[in-house]
Amino acid sequence: NAGVMQNPRHLVRRRGQEARLRCSPMKGHSHVYWYRQLPEEGLKFMVYLQKENIIDESGMPKERFSAEFPKEGPSILRIQQVVRGDSAAYFCASSPGTGQTEAFFGQGTRLTVV
Amino acid sequence: GENVEQHPSTLSVQEGDSAVIKCTYSDSASNYFPWYKQELGKGPQLIIDIRSNVGEKKDQRIAVTLNKTAKHFSLHITETQPEDSAVYFCAAIVDNYGQNFVFGPGTRLSVLP
Repeated sequence: NAGVMQNPRHLVRRRGQEARLRCSPMKGHSHVYWYRQLPEEGLKFMVYLQKENIIDESGMPKERFSAEFPKEGPSILRIQQVVRGDSAAYFCASSPGTGQTEAFFGQGTRLTVV
Repeated sequence: GENVEQHPSTLSVQEGDSAVIKCTYSDSASNYFPWYKQELGKGPQLIIDIRSNVGEKKDQRIAVTLNKTAKHFSLHITETQPEDSAVYFCAAIVDNYGQNFVFGPGTRLSVLP
């Protein structure tokens, strides 16, 4: 049973470009969380999704950031017009859903904006 | 909303000694408390968790205790080894639909040989 898969592991973008980060949850998991981590800092919640539904996006910046989790395929975190301050590690976690709350993380995508 | 505090921020112990990391939470409705270990360059790894209907849980050298009245929970690592060196995060969540995990700021544990 494969774990949570994130790709790419490393992503370099120039300022103004778009970044797309993908997260494939564990088999049987229908809930996905995205977190952002700056170097030497903790995990900051961004967005919580269920398939085809955003449950909580209170941690997402209002502009340039969006997330989706379609019926088929991975969850996507999209950052438009990236700026240097977007450089961070982005982690996703998946869980089976309510009542089975164990969440497992992927290895993260390290975004560098140059 | 929930707020999770974690202490200490850094901890150094000699190999073979015990390490204790403490977390407090603010929302009395929180009922699930996982602990994660993050090694350099890797994603957080779930190492142990506890639910609010249990006061203590143990898994080999790792144990977690929960005091619901005081709203704090602790991670205990016995017989520490160099490979225990990592950043440890606690988290709290109300296990209901629509809730997300709130993490503590982390503890960097160094086990000195």
